[in-house]
Amino acid sequence: DIQMTQSPSSLSASVGDRVTITCRASQSIRNDLAWYQQKRGKAPKRLIYAASTLHSGVPSRFSGSGSGTEFTLTISALQPEDFATYYCLQHSSYPQTFGQGTKLEIK
Amino acid sequence: QVLLVESGGGVVQPGRSLRLSCAASGFIFGDYAIHWVRQAPGRGLQWVAVISYDGRDKYYVDSVKGRFTISRDDSRNRVYLQMNSLRPEDTAVYYCAKRDYGAGSIDYWGQGTLVTVSS
Repeated sequence: DIQMTQSPSSLSASVGDRVTITCRASQSIRNDLAWYQQKRGKAPKRLIYAASTLHSGVPSRFSGSGSGTEFTLTISALQPEDFATYYCLQHSSYPQTFGQGTKLEIK
Repeated sequence: QVLLVESGGGVVQPGRSLRLSCAASGFIFGDYAIHWVRQAPGRGLQWVAVISYDGRDKYYVDSVKGRFTISRDDSRNRVYLQMNSLRPEDTAVYYCAKRDYGAGSIDYWGQGTLVTVSS
């Protein structure tokens, strides 16, 4: 199984800050990676697919990059509604696997 | 718009069975694979199972193999997850989710149904 190591597990930041979250795969997954945002008590929502393509309707302050084994999600200028938990997902092979999650909190 | 609605969750004793249902609308159901993903209380997301668009291919996470079965009924636009021999560690919110045909990743999720396995 492919292991996804996501870091940091938690992050404290302020409105307007730029933040970066990283996912590392235990083997190459090409660009078969997506990022999701989950707010408390709600279902996840896709932000990024194919490592760097923005899902329809997602604000442009979100961006993704990487290929192979290392991937990043960047939020260029945090807004109040961005405080949530973020997950990466590899869909290169089954079982698909998620990162452990990054909880983004207000400083 | 895409809509996925799960049902069938509840409280069940260890060793018993439960069947979850996912009702889909807003897209051509027969063209898409459907996943189940779960989330234990206070924990992260765990992928559980997937069924291909035509029902021929099914994959499971190791921890549920031999106990859970995914199936689909295209005449009713529904996917099911039959869960047998339930364990306390199966306690979670279960989400059904649609595969993005082109990109391959999950693009839309239902709101989830809670399964609690407890005596």
